Amino acid sequence: DADVTQTPRNRITKTGKRIMLECSQTKGHDRMYWYRQDPGLGLRLIYYSFDVKDINKGEISDGYSVSRQAQAKFSLSLESAIPNQTALYFCATSDLTTRRIFGPGTRLTVL
Amino acid sequence: TQLLEQSPQFLSIQEGENLTVYCNSSSVFSSLQWYRQEPGEGPVLLVTVVTGGEVKKLKRLTFQFGDARKDSSLHITAAQPGDTGLYLCAKGGNDMRFGAGTRLTVKP
Repeated sequence: DADVTQTPRNRITKTGKRIMLECSQTKGHDRMYWYRQDPGLGLRLIYYSFDVKDINKGEISDGYSVSRQAQAKFSLSLESAIPNQTALYFCATSDLTTRRIFGPGTRLTVL
Repeated sequence: TQLLEQSPQFLSIQEGENLTVYCNSSSVFSSLQWYRQEPGEGPVLLVTVVTGGEVKKLKRLTFQFGDARKDSSLHITAAQPGDTGLYLCAKGGNDMRFGAGTRLTVKP
């Protein structure tokens, strides 16, 4: 089984809809992250969490929210999706080292 | 403005050729990582460099961290089609930042 799983893997939605992307990990890591990837811009950090009670904004948090339901689960929400949120979204985990272990990604299209 | 500038953005070469890709910044890093990402997958860590001037080898891949810890390079010897992918550098830290990547294609 994969260490980091993401659901759904692909999603097409319409402008204004609420969307939730889910991430689960079996590594037992405390730290979890959400990134988005756009062509030519690399990976940009949206939010990160160092434990269940800790939530931190990344460089592009506007328009997004997160919930850390448990050590193993970290979900990303788009309250009202807009077309420029069309991107690849990656969840990642890490222990106390800086190494990130990434999930397979979710391809989100907002029409 | 990218904190980390990677060059070239695209690189297409024939199998057996050597290549070098670069990661540069005006900031000093405590550490720097290189990842490789294949289509439809998340990035996978290749190496972490910490000390200025450090050189690490991973089979045909050689990673170097600049003396001033502001830049890094990745050299691939005798490239193979399996090396095809997006190579990303990232600065260490809680809010790890990534470069935009170099997309490498190795043709048989």
